[in-house]
Amino acid sequence: QQQVKQSPQSLIVQKGGISIINCAYENTAFDYFPWYQQFPGKGPALLIAIRPDVSEKKEGRFTISFNKSAKQFSLHIMDSQPGDSATYFCAAPWSGDSWGKFQFGAGTQVVVTP
Amino acid sequence: DAGVTQSPTHLIKTRGQHVTLRCSPISGHKSVSWYQQVLGQGPQFIFQYYEKEERGRGNFPDRFSARQFPNYSSELNVNALLLGDSALYLCASSIETGLNEKLFFGSGTQLSVL
Repeated sequence: QQQVKQSPQSLIVQKGGISIINCAYENTAFDYFPWYQQFPGKGPALLIAIRPDVSEKKEGRFTISFNKSAKQFSLHIMDSQPGDSATYFCAAPWSGDSWGKFQFGAGTQVVVTP
Repeated sequence: DAGVTQSPTHLIKTRGQHVTLRCSPISGHKSVSWYQQVLGQGPQFIFQYYEKEERGRGNFPDRFSARQFPNYSSELNVNALLLGDSALYLCASSIETGLNEKLFFGSGTQLSVL
């Protein structure tokens, strides 16, 4: 069963706008929540990650917000640029002992228009 | 530095055949994971190997097998191919487990089963 649910499936944002992608998880034992970015023809690349001991993490234009009580976390892309057009995946460990095993959301295709 | 390399990049097989996919991790990385990504979906965990030992297996049939060699490279084998095995097969390496859970993905092998 899918334990990481991601929304929306796709979104279109104008250059300079804010993109927001949401993920919900089920297992409260999860302790690491990464976001990956994937361009066509390439494998996913780690963008930013958060642990549940903090509620927010910011790296440049990318911010993760984490709501432990709601079991949700989201990715905010500020000042979106055409180069941000890609598919974004949230992920969570397969179990308490991740060992490189992750469950990925279904992905959100982001298109940034000029 | 070379990233994760996978070969071949593309492969066409027919139903019932066998396929072997290969992966070379980043130098110094001892953990290799395999993921299947069907078009329009997130990667699905297949196997994880660390120091040549299987550390995890996802929900895939026994037709799927893998191994890791002393130089930490890895092979994914799929027997009795089905049409539904058509997907992008991704290999990811990581330097260690525990707190450092950053996966580095290769560009994948695109497998088409006819």
